[in-house]
Amino acid sequence: EPEVTQTPSHQVTQMGQEVILRCVPISNHLYFYWYRQILGQKVEFLVSFYNNEISEKSEIFDDQFSVERPDGSNFTLKIRSTKLEDSAMYFCASSPESRTGELFFGEGSRLTVL
Amino acid sequence: AQSVAQPEDQVNVAEGNPLTVKCTYSVSGNPYLFWYVQYPNRGLQFLLKYITGDNLVKGSYGFEAEFNKSQTSFHLKKPSALVSDSALYFCAVRAPNTGFQKLVFGTGTRLLVSP
Repeated sequence: EPEVTQTPSHQVTQMGQEVILRCVPISNHLYFYWYRQILGQKVEFLVSFYNNEISEKSEIFDDQFSVERPDGSNFTLKIRSTKLEDSAMYFCASSPESRTGELFFGEGSRLTVL
Repeated sequence: AQSVAQPEDQVNVAEGNPLTVKCTYSVSGNPYLFWYVQYPNRGLQFLLKYITGDNLVKGSYGFEAEFNKSQTSFHLKKPSALVSDSALYFCAVRAPNTGFQKLVFGTGTRLLVSP
């Protein structure tokens, strides 16, 4: 069964460093998302992406965050200068369509900022 | 703004008993509603969804949910709980006023099924 894959599974970084989290969505999906979850609590929407551009972003997704799909398969989330409060589990998701389709989530990338 | 509420942080049930995990929503128009489950240190897995049609929807692992428009609820149910159902459950909504773009999650309910 196709699945969303994410790398790395865990990254530890120093405050102020840049981090790139990578995702390979399911191949025939067109809509891509990043969510984050802090301490196993609420799952928060960060950004949605379609047709090589951001379709919606939350207030969390400030200028320190960016996304891109550089090669037609990978979907990346970059945090330019990490802060302590960026420590979280980051989930990538993809969906075959934007309205009624469910999201398929990866296993997550745990980011720890020291 | 669209929102979904899960009023219980935790639900405890004995194995073999029926379980209910509650969810209410607050959106304009007719929402699309989803349930996801998260096992420890894992991603979110889709269980079921309501888009339109029959108010009772059936999903994975014997779970079902009933859409109740008058009560703006979408409670998750299972007739007979298993210990392996113990996990974190999230209700989520897509709303028409946002073009159904994003999936907004509730705060989650931890289900603990005791042997």
